[in-house]
Amino acid sequence: AQRVTQPEKLLSVFKGAPVELKCNYSYSGSPELFWYVQYSRQRLQLLLRHISRESIKGFTADLNKGETSFHLKKPFAQEEDSAMYYCALTISNFGNEKLTFGTGTRLTIIP
Amino acid sequence: DTGVSQDPRHKITKRGQNVTFRCDPISEHNRLYWYRQTLGQGPEFLTYFQNEAQLEKSRLLSDRFSAERPKGSFSTLEIQRTEQGDSAMYLCASSQTGMLNEQFFGPGTRLTVL
Repeated sequence: AQRVTQPEKLLSVFKGAPVELKCNYSYSGSPELFWYVQYSRQRLQLLLRHISRESIKGFTADLNKGETSFHLKKPFAQEEDSAMYYCALTISNFGNEKLTFGTGTRLTIIP
Repeated sequence: DTGVSQDPRHKITKRGQNVTFRCDPISEHNRLYWYRQTLGQGPEFLTYFQNEAQLEKSRLLSDRFSAERPKGSFSTLEIQRTEQGDSAMYLCASSQTGMLNEQFFGPGTRLTVL
């Protein structure tokens, strides 16, 4: 069965400092990886996905299959980045693409 | 269309009562998912619909839980004989058919069982 691990429940970073949120996964095949974000009093929303190779709001994530990791990074933190971040994976089978989530990391940006 | 909506947003009930939640997905989305989130955890998959067909149920979904999507549009999740352990946020998400389309989440229904 697949599993997603986010080792940090809480992370505090000063504004302007680099941010790295860790995510490790376990799955014997080739999953697809995502980062979801939940800002205060808002619903869960997609931040970025591995397949798109995109940078959203300055965030990037690189899939490292050797280390089974998908860490989220941003070079310069901004106050509006404070939120709850969830790493998730799915196995695309053109049908049920249910997501398996990690336990989340609460990121706080210190002004 | 303002996105996925869920009703009610909050529900407080006594142990042993039945509750029903509703989810209205984005109108053109064929896929619908229910997840449950407890304190300190990420969302956990409960069940999946493709149009009106319920194609997968998690082992988390005991016999007291039932979900329907009768016309392939809105969905309901019913919990019978609620227990305190059912207290959680129940999330609904929808997506279009196709590969790795984004799942759009609703605001959730927070259930408290006293």
